[in-house]
Amino acid sequence: EVQLVESGGGVVNPGGSLRLSCEASGFTFDDYGMHWVRQAPGKGLEWVAVVFGNGASKHYVDSVKGRFTISRDNGRHSLYLQMNSLRIEDTAVYFCAKDTLWNLNAMDVWGQGTTVIVSS
Amino acid sequence: DIQMTQSPSSLSASVGDRVTITCRASQPISKKLNWYQQRPGKAPKLLIYGASSLQSGVPSRFSGSGSGTEFTLSISSLQPEDFATYYCQQSYITPSSFGQGTKLEIK
Repeated sequence: EVQLVESGGGVVNPGGSLRLSCEASGFTFDDYGMHWVRQAPGKGLEWVAVVFGNGASKHYVDSVKGRFTISRDNGRHSLYLQMNSLRIEDTAVYFCAKDTLWNLNAMDVWGQGTTVIVSS
Repeated sequence: DIQMTQSPSSLSASVGDRVTITCRASQPISKKLNWYQQRPGKAPKLLIYGASSLQSGVPSRFSGSGSGTEFTLSISSLQPEDFATYYCQQSYITPSSFGQGTKLEIK
């Protein structure tokens, strides 16, 4: 069964850091691009970042550039999002998602989401 | 960056109705447009990719069309499980971006 399971969410103070993880199973992990997408409470979906299959190419939405780092460990079938200098507006459910191609196409498998709350 | 705009933002319809949702891109994106369905408290689900290709397992009452800057998602005969929020997403260039969503409600 193709599956993505996120972990690492929690409550953090503004300016703090958090590292999200996403463990993949049921497919050849390094053949596909992997994304992070977030959803603030009561709001729509916001694309956050993508890392292509080889791990060398990474792209971000402007609002997280310089603060968030996406990475992958193909040997561990895992995707990560290191989040630094967190802001109140980063509060959201964070989903990891698998692309249908090695780079950027469509997201066909999604995790259940992990909740990040940035609050003092 | 490419902005995606959906219309309407909300829509009321009845079981059996045909509905259409529109998504416009701020610049041409060829056919690099995907549609997702999201039910409350759940992860999004891919319905349509490449503007018009039906994802495996998705009922044939869902269809997509368009290219360039204007796209549509149609549901031919609404079923109770179709009442949800729908999002378009451009995958033409990074940063990728979603529309603001269309909430489909039961009339």
